[in-house]
Amino acid sequence: AQTVTQSQPEMSVQEAETVTLSCTYDTSESDYYLFWYKQPPSRQMILVIRQEAYKQQNATENRFSVNFQKAAKSFSLKISDSQLGDAAMYFCAYRSEDGTASKLTFGTGTRLQVTL
Amino acid sequence: DAMVIQNPRYQVTQFGKPVTLSCSQTLNHNVMYWYQQKSSQAPKLLFHYYDKDFNNEADTPDNFQSRRPNTSFCFLDIRSPGLGDTAMYLCATRRQYNEQFFGPGTRLTVL
Repeated sequence: AQTVTQSQPEMSVQEAETVTLSCTYDTSESDYYLFWYKQPPSRQMILVIRQEAYKQQNATENRFSVNFQKAAKSFSLKISDSQLGDAAMYFCAYRSEDGTASKLTFGTGTRLQVTL
Repeated sequence: DAMVIQNPRYQVTQFGKPVTLSCSQTLNHNVMYWYQQKSSQAPKLLFHYYDKDFNNEADTPDNFQSRRPNTSFCFLDIRSPGLGDTAMYLCATRRQYNEQFFGPGTRLTVL
């Protein structure tokens, strides 16, 4: 079974600064997907960014980018130019490429605080 | 806008009193999921439907049941809620090969 580990329960960043959230995972599969989801307080969980394991190029979505190290099984999220609206719980998630139900395995989350 | 809707957003029930949570989607996705998320924890998958096929997670208590009468709707029934069932319940949908899209959740409190 796959496992996802987020070793930082909480992180803090000043507005306009850059922060990196860590995620490691364990799997024996070669094809899979990795995701970062954002869950603001009392609000909907939304997808921030996704990475296909077969792609060597790191995914980027505006101020959000990942550092995907497949051999090391590491998948960190970098948030540049942090904004107050980035404050949320961030979950790293793994999904097998099984073509059917494709269940997500979540890490325990990192709570990001953004300060002025 | 196409979306995932969960009703109610907040539900308070008494210990042992059955409760039903609903999820509807306008996305026409064939897969629907129910997650339980306790305070400050990761979402935990309870079960999912792939079209009409129901798939229960091995560690989901028998107290939790689900129904999917059609593509658009899915229900979570808790037959005899206990205090430990207080949690946020998240519904998610997915079209095959795409990522999951989450609803806003129902916050259930069992007193």
